[in-house]
Amino acid sequence: GAVVSQHPSRVICKSGTSVKIECRSLDFQATTMFWYRQFPKQSLMLMATSNEGSKATYEQGVEKDKFLINHASLTLSTLTVTSAHPEDSSFYICSAREGTGREKLFFGSGTQLSVL
Amino acid sequence: GNSVTQMEGPVTLSEEAFLTINCTYTATGYPSLFWYVQYPGEGLQLLLKATKADDKGSNKGFEATYRKETTSFHLEKGSVQVSDSAVYFCAQGGSEKLVFGKGTKLTVNP
Repeated sequence: GAVVSQHPSRVICKSGTSVKIECRSLDFQATTMFWYRQFPKQSLMLMATSNEGSKATYEQGVEKDKFLINHASLTLSTLTVTSAHPEDSSFYICSAREGTGREKLFFGSGTQLSVL
Repeated sequence: GNSVTQMEGPVTLSEEAFLTINCTYTATGYPSLFWYVQYPGEGLQLLLKATKADDKGSNKGFEATYRKETTSFHLEKGSVQVSDSAVYFCAQGGSEKLVFGKGTKLTVNP
């Protein structure tokens, strides 16, 4: 099946620094990618929808200036957590859609971010 | 708003035991329903889905039936294996976006 690569799988950073997470579709073109966040024992929460070549659409309550999303090509979307704080520590996961249809969503393995 | 509630884990079973993971949803309209599975170190994978009431999704011995009257989509398997150990997520989608449950961690012991 289709593969989505997410990197890094785990990152530890100091408070105030920025962290970039990459999401790549390895064997298909993804016009739309999604970014989710999961806190311990909570649901996966959609943060934003990223369309290639256009600005991301953020969910209510998600700070677009803090979580910068770039979808510069059909195979790569990046999430940058700017000026990270301990409360940003969470599990971030991306998904990429191949063509149309919800069933053609493929997920990365996630990134565990820990901000000290 | 739309939401998904699934049973709290973790769930620990012995091999060949019967598995049920409960999932209920609230939604306006009639969403499609999904079960995703995440094996250790891997991304979420679609396990099965159902798009309308009374549909039964099935895959790898797992089954779930879309019950409109009880707004449920419980996941079942008659005989689990060690290789079924993973985190299972119930989800609904009425548009492009998916709404997930919290996930249920299943551990199957030999």
